[in-house]
Amino acid sequence: DTAVSQTPKYLVTQMGNDKSIKCEQNLGHDTMYWYKQDSKKFLKIMFSYNNKELIINETVPNRFSPKSPDKAHLNLHINSLELGDSAVYFCASSQDGAATPSGNTIYFGEGSWLTVV
Amino acid sequence: AQTVTQSQPEMSVQEAETVTLSCTYDTSESDYYLFWYKQPPSRQMILVIRQEAYKQQNATENRFSVNFQKAAKSFSLKISDSQLGDAAMYFCAYRKYGNKLVFGAGTILRVKS
Repeated sequence: DTAVSQTPKYLVTQMGNDKSIKCEQNLGHDTMYWYKQDSKKFLKIMFSYNNKELIINETVPNRFSPKSPDKAHLNLHINSLELGDSAVYFCASSQDGAATPSGNTIYFGEGSWLTVV
Repeated sequence: AQTVTQSQPEMSVQEAETVTLSCTYDTSESDYYLFWYKQPPSRQMILVIRQEAYKQQNATENRFSVNFQKAAKSFSLKISDSQLGDAAMYFCAYRKYGNKLVFGAGTILRVKS
């Protein structure tokens, strides 16, 4: 069973298109994230949601809009795609405050490779 | 703002030998978590090991162990009996309680047979 799953894994699209990446976690975690890994493999947070509420919104263009229909799902919609949006996008989740060996640890999905041509 | 520094862009180790990856971080917090993640060519982010800052004992997970020096803000990863499957990019990461993960730039580990 995949704990954090993202779809699609690979996405090639043209500049100007709109695309979405979906994410689901079956770990029962309250917090979900989107991270971006650029061509130099640097990882940076984009958004974080806790129980469907946005709690972290880093400096990200307005073309990126996250949506959390429930605490197990966090989707990322990107409008008017640009060449610079090409990256690997990681969804992740955590259960914060839990006094367990896995509490406060962030678990990642397999990543979605977005290529804008 | 918290920062994480991995000063070794690339490291090599002979199979079956031991290698240590370095990581330093900057924070004014006293309560936080530190992690090492492994990223193979598949790009999956795999948790290797985690350390709670309030614990003095160094974390270990099978062949992986850390040397956590809180005063020096140092968090190195030791891989013993290196295997070909250990070849990957390794990221050190810091997390203040309830906050985002801050990553270092990564260290590429190559394992020679």
